[in-house]
Amino acid sequence: AQSVTQLDSHVSVSEGTPVLLRCNYSSSYSPSLFWYVQHPNKGLQLLLKYTSAATLVKGINGFEAEFKKSETSFHLTKPSAHMSDAAEYFCVVSDHDYKLSFGAGTTVTVRA
Amino acid sequence: NAGVTQTPKFQVLKTGQSMTLQCAQDMNHNSMYWYRQDPGMGLRLIYYSASEGTTDKGEVPNGYNVSRLNKREFSLRLESAAPSQTSVYFCASQRESPQETQYFGPGTRLLVL
Repeated sequence: AQSVTQLDSHVSVSEGTPVLLRCNYSSSYSPSLFWYVQHPNKGLQLLLKYTSAATLVKGINGFEAEFKKSETSFHLTKPSAHMSDAAEYFCVVSDHDYKLSFGAGTTVTVRA
Repeated sequence: NAGVTQTPKFQVLKTGQSMTLQCAQDMNHNSMYWYRQDPGMGLRLIYYSASEGTTDKGEVPNGYNVSRLNKREFSLRLESAAPSQTSVYFCASQRESPQETQYFGPGTRLLVL
């Protein structure tokens, strides 16, 4: 069975400083991993995904994530936060069946 | 291209009432999903349809039924609503493989009194 743990429920950063959102997963197989973002009162939008190609994955809006099999991690980073990055972020794992597992989410606030 | 649309956007029900949440996608996707989102719990899968004509239970199917009406439409029915079903419901679609991106609708906020 697959599962996801997002290590921080809330992250607060200043505009222009780096953002780090931590995600650990467990999976019986070689999983696919995703990061989705949800802005207030909106649906989820894909930021990036890992599907067994390059371990460093670049996504939209300057985000990237690194797949580390030895650490079972898929942390999301951005070098410089923008006010528009304030949102909730979900790490998601797929064991290649149709039942995705979502983390509980990390809420990001950005201080001016 | 509207993507994934959901109706209604917001609904208030009394305990025991029934209702159907509608979802449609115009991307010719094969797979469709229903999730519920509760604070601090991420999204949990209620039911999914891997392809037209098939439906399967997800993590939290009790109290719900679904219908894959055609390739475009996937509805979620609450036969007898309970306060525990107060949640935000999201529909999603996916082209084919579970490794591919899911595209989400804007959500339906349901309050059961």
